[in-house]
Amino acid sequence: DSGVTQTPKHLITATGQRVTLRCSPRSGDLSVYWYQQSLDQGLQFLIQYYNGEERAKGNILERFSAQQFPDLHSELNLSSLELGDSALYFCASSVASGRGETQYFGPGTRLLVL
Amino acid sequence: GQQLNQSPQSMFIQEGEDVSMNCTSSSIFNTWLWYKQDPGEGPVLLIALYKAGELTSNGRLTAQFGITRKDSFLNISASIPSDVGIYFCAGHPTNSGGSNYKLTFGKGTLLTVNP
Repeated sequence: DSGVTQTPKHLITATGQRVTLRCSPRSGDLSVYWYQQSLDQGLQFLIQYYNGEERAKGNILERFSAQQFPDLHSELNLSSLELGDSALYFCASSVASGRGETQYFGPGTRLLVL
Repeated sequence: GQQLNQSPQSMFIQEGEDVSMNCTSSSIFNTWLWYKQDPGEGPVLLIALYKAGELTSNGRLTAQFGITRKDSFLNISASIPSDVGIYFCAGHPTNSGGSNYKLTFGKGTLLTVNP
C-alpha cells in the first residue's frame, strides 16, 4: 500500500459524458501527479500540482482539467468523453516538487467509455 | 520529448533463474527509478537511484545508475513466481528546464516466471 488513494476504482460511462476522478496523496506529500495508461501509449504524464498550484503540464487534452484543493487532495475532470479516453488513470504523489522526487502511485481508476 | 528505450519487451524464464533488464536514453537523466506493476494495479516503486554509478539493492533486486547517466539496469536474482509483472524504468531528464519535472517512463518489460 503506497498510501495514495484513488476513487472510484472502476468507472463505466458513455461518450460525451463527464467524469471526475479523485486522489488523496500520501500524508505529508504536497505534489500530486496524474498519469494516463493505455495499451498503446504506455504511461503518459498529464499534469502536476504542487501545494494547490499547477506546476507542470504534459500530454493533457483541453477536455481534461485538474485541481488540487487546500486539503491537498486532487481531482481530474474528464469531459466530452470519447472512446479513446478509456484507460487506467493513475495519481502519484511526492513530498515536494524538485527534480528527482520519488513518486508513489495509487491503485488507479479504470475508465471505460462505451 | 524524452525517450527511454527499455529492453527486453518481454521475458519468459524458469523459476530460480536470474533476470536482467535495462533502459537507455539518448539524453542524460539525473534520476532513475524502477517500478513493478501487477495487472490492474498501480506501479510500485522498487528502487530509486540518484547518483551516477550508484548501485542499490532491495532484497533480490539490484539496480545501477549508469556512469554515463544515460542508462540503468535492473537485475532480479533467483526469480520466483510472484516476480511476474511488468517492470518499468523511469527517470527525470536533466534538461527538462523550467518547471518541467515530468517523469518519463519506458515501455516496460513483461516478465513471466514458469514454476
